[in-house]
Amino acid sequence: AQSVTQPDIHITVSEGASLELRCNYSYGATPYLFWYVQSPGQGLQLLLKYFSGDTLVQGIKGFEAEFKRSQSSFNLRKPSVHWSDAAEYFCAVGAPGYSTLTFGKGTMLLVSP
Amino acid sequence: DTGVSQDPRHKITKRGQNVTFRCDPISEHNRLYWYRQTLGQGPEFLTYFQNEAQLEKSRLLSDRFSAERPKGSFSTLEIQRTEQGDSAMYLCASSPGGGSAQYFGPGTRLLVL
Repeated sequence: AQSVTQPDIHITVSEGASLELRCNYSYGATPYLFWYVQSPGQGLQLLLKYFSGDTLVQGIKGFEAEFKRSQSSFNLRKPSVHWSDAAEYFCAVGAPGYSTLTFGKGTMLLVSP
Repeated sequence: DTGVSQDPRHKITKRGQNVTFRCDPISEHNRLYWYRQTLGQGPEFLTYFQNEAQLEKSRLLSDRFSAERPKGSFSTLEIQRTEQGDSAMYLCASSPGGGSAQYFGPGTRLLVL
């Protein structure tokens, strides 16, 4: 069975500083990988996805993520965080041709002035 | 481009009552998914439809839960004899097919008193 671990429950970053959110997955082959963002009381917005090809994936809002097969990781990065980035971030995995997604428990990002 | 919509956004009910939620997917998306999200957790898969056919149900979907997608467009999720443990955010998502990114609605937050 596939699983996702997001080791950090909360992260606080100063506005303008760089950000890296960690995601480790467990799956027997190369999975489909996703990052979603959720603002309080809202649904999930897709930031980016990895299916195959270039392991560095660009997404919306200036986010990027890198797939590292050897480390079973798909970490999310942003070079300069804005106060509006404060939200909860979820990493998710699906099998190729998948029908369901398995999500991590999320990382809450707090942005300090 | 109209996104996924869900109605109602909030529902407060008393234990033992029945509730029904509606989801309207992105037009022409033939897959529709239901997830449940409790506090501090990532979304958990409940069930999904391909057009009007319900193809998979999670063990989380007890006998008190039923979902339909009668004409392959909107879907309803009904919970009968609600329990306090049913309190959660119910999220709907749609995708153009298997193996595609899923796009989420704003969710319906259910509180069972």
